[in-house]
Amino acid sequence: KNEVEQSPQNLTAQEGEFITINCSYSVGISALHWLQQHPGGGIVSLFMLSSGKKKHGRLIATINIQEKHSSLHITASHPRDSAVYICAVSGKGESGGGADGLTFGKGTHLIIQP
Amino acid sequence: DSGVTQTPKHLITATGQRVTLRCSPRSGDLSVYWYQQSLDQGLQFLIQYYNGEERAKGNILERFSAQQFPDLHSELNLSSLELGDSALYFCASSATPGLAGGQGDEQFFGPGTRLTVL
Repeated sequence: KNEVEQSPQNLTAQEGEFITINCSYSVGISALHWLQQHPGGGIVSLFMLSSGKKKHGRLIATINIQEKHSSLHITASHPRDSAVYICAVSGKGESGGGADGLTFGKGTHLIIQP
Repeated sequence: DSGVTQTPKHLITATGQRVTLRCSPRSGDLSVYWYQQSLDQGLQFLIQYYNGEERAKGNILERFSAQQFPDLHSELNLSSLELGDSALYFCASSATPGLAGGQGDEQFFGPGTRLTVL
């Protein structure tokens, strides 16, 4: 079983719709990251959070530490939001001090149709 | 533009060969991470360096090695290449690796090197 599970795997929606992508994890973490990868391949960090909620423009990320669950929301979705959204977690670095590298979910492929 | 640079952008080579991928972190960032993204395995953490020292190891094969130089740039060396090593290799950097048990810092990704092994 993957330590980081995302749903849905694929999502197609109409422009303007409210989008929710979910992420569940099974390990102890120091932080959860939401990343965006466009078809060209580049990866952009959207959010890093360890509690509560963060907002940036039309994007909102929330995390519930007790339930080991996070959601990424996109309001007023637009075709330019079409991308793969990846949830990743960083461990507590108990092995050698400092946060370890990220463990990734398989990603959610989002298509927003005009 | 994340400020992280990687060279080359594309690399095509043959099985059995050895290649070196290069990464320059954002100005001021001390920590460098290497990741591999393949179709079957997805994104995987390979190795992390902080200020010249190896900090953490992930799923890095013995045929692969890395180092971080005094100017903080890093190189990932892949040897005895196999078809299955074909992948996108990303480098990321962060300001500090985070204190033990702490949060760690946001990671900024380079554009990646696409390796094709024929």
